[in-house]
Amino acid sequence: QSVLTQPPSVSGAPGQRVTISCTGSSSDIGAGYDVHWYQQLPGTAPKLLIFGNINRPSGVPDRFSGSKSGTSASLAITGLQVEDEADYYCQSYDSSLSGSVFGGGTKLTVL
Amino acid sequence: QLQLQESGPGLVKPSETLSLTCTVSGGSISSSSYYWGWIRQPPGKGLEWIGKIYYSGNTYYNPSLKSRVTISIDTSKNQFSLKLGSVTAADTAVYYCARLSRRGVSGVLILASYFDSWGQGTLVTVSS
Repeated sequence: QSVLTQPPSVSGAPGQRVTISCTGSSSDIGAGYDVHWYQQLPGTAPKLLIFGNINRPSGVPDRFSGSKSGTSASLAITGLQVEDEADYYCQSYDSSLSGSVFGGGTKLTVL
Repeated sequence: QLQLQESGPGLVKPSETLSLTCTVSGGSISSSSYYWGWIRQPPGKGLEWIGKIYYSGNTYYNPSLKSRVTISIDTSKNQFSLKLGSVTAADTAVYYCARLSRRGVSGVLILASYFDSWGQGTLVTVSS
């Protein structure tokens, strides 16, 4: 069971907007630690998508955005494209574990 | 461009020790701005952080694996390694090595370091 909670799946049609939530607790997200997001395309390694809650690495389209409030964070994807179909993971730091923690992952299906 | 490459046996027998090495190219493993870490992903499941190491040799492990894990670093070879002892079938997974950035956007050191570069991963199967 993952420390951070994500919905197992979300879906949307091309061009639509979807959001993926990531819920933590007072020892991780709620303690003020940054949340980061990764995209894992089928059969490949995860790729950094958002870091420091809201920041996009160079090369990541601005269709992807992150936000954080209280003990939760969200990843929003606008203008959905077929190539966005992937698994998405959130990650933060847990002070009780003194280490990195991941969400269980969310599978995005583009209908 | 930074590249990380995992290497090691793809098959390990139960109760034995899993050993993997990550070779870093295109950048120095001795940078003060990064940790170097291991993550695993059982088939069809999510990501699990195993541990990380600083170039000085300081290590940090997932408490759930701490009793069985050792991560080491060889700065002369630009490599770091993972050993996981007493393996069982539950340790079957794709193992990734990755670089963790210690600094946020402003350059300040952060506790919630993030994995900004990943190896391609290597599948390790535990079976007799």
